[in-house]
Amino acid sequence: EAGVTQFPSHSVIEKGQTVTLRCDPISGHDNLYWYRRVMGKEIKFLLHFVKESKQDESGMPNNRFLAERTGGTYSTLKVQPAELEDSGVYFCASSTRQGKNIQYFGAGTRLSVL
Amino acid sequence: AQSVSQHNHHVILSEAASLELGCNYSYGGTVNLFWYVQYPGQHLQLLLKYFSGDPLVKGIKGFEAEFIKSKFSFNLRKPSVQWSDTAEYFCAVIRPGRRALTFGSGTRLQVQP
Repeated sequence: EAGVTQFPSHSVIEKGQTVTLRCDPISGHDNLYWYRRVMGKEIKFLLHFVKESKQDESGMPNNRFLAERTGGTYSTLKVQPAELEDSGVYFCASSTRQGKNIQYFGAGTRLSVL
Repeated sequence: AQSVSQHNHHVILSEAASLELGCNYSYGGTVNLFWYVQYPGQHLQLLLKYFSGDPLVKGIKGFEAEFIKSKFSFNLRKPSVQWSDTAEYFCAVIRPGRRALTFGSGTRLQVQP
């Protein structure tokens, strides 16, 4: 069974540009989460999808961040325009809807905004 | 104030030494508790978890953790570390009424051969 996959693994962009990160959850997992770790800080929650619906987006930092999960499968996280403070590692995780909420993580996307 | 606290940011041990990493949380009510590990160049992996029942939980690779409700703690232990345990360890909590994980700041463990 394939795990959570994220693309790209690393992205380097200039301030003001747009970047789109993608996450493919484990097949059949209805819950999809985005987290972010900026340098030297803890991993912080961004938002949570249940299928295609945003269940909780309380962690989204501002309106430059847009997450989508059309069709309830893969998800994208777009940052437009990117700022220096957006640099960090963006993690995606997924879990099943039933039972215990055990989240499985992808390898992350390292975003560097120059 | 941070809601999940990991007391040690960087720990250096020699092989065969015992390990204990502290984790405290500040939420009341029923919480779910986790330890994740990230080995160099790899993704976050679940080490162990606590939902209910026996407060002493065993995980992969010889790790265990003890949930002490009165102390709001979930410390990670291993009696004898190996060089391959070099990694970053994260304590995480799911708060009552939430589904997202709240992480501690992480502890970087370096095991010297």
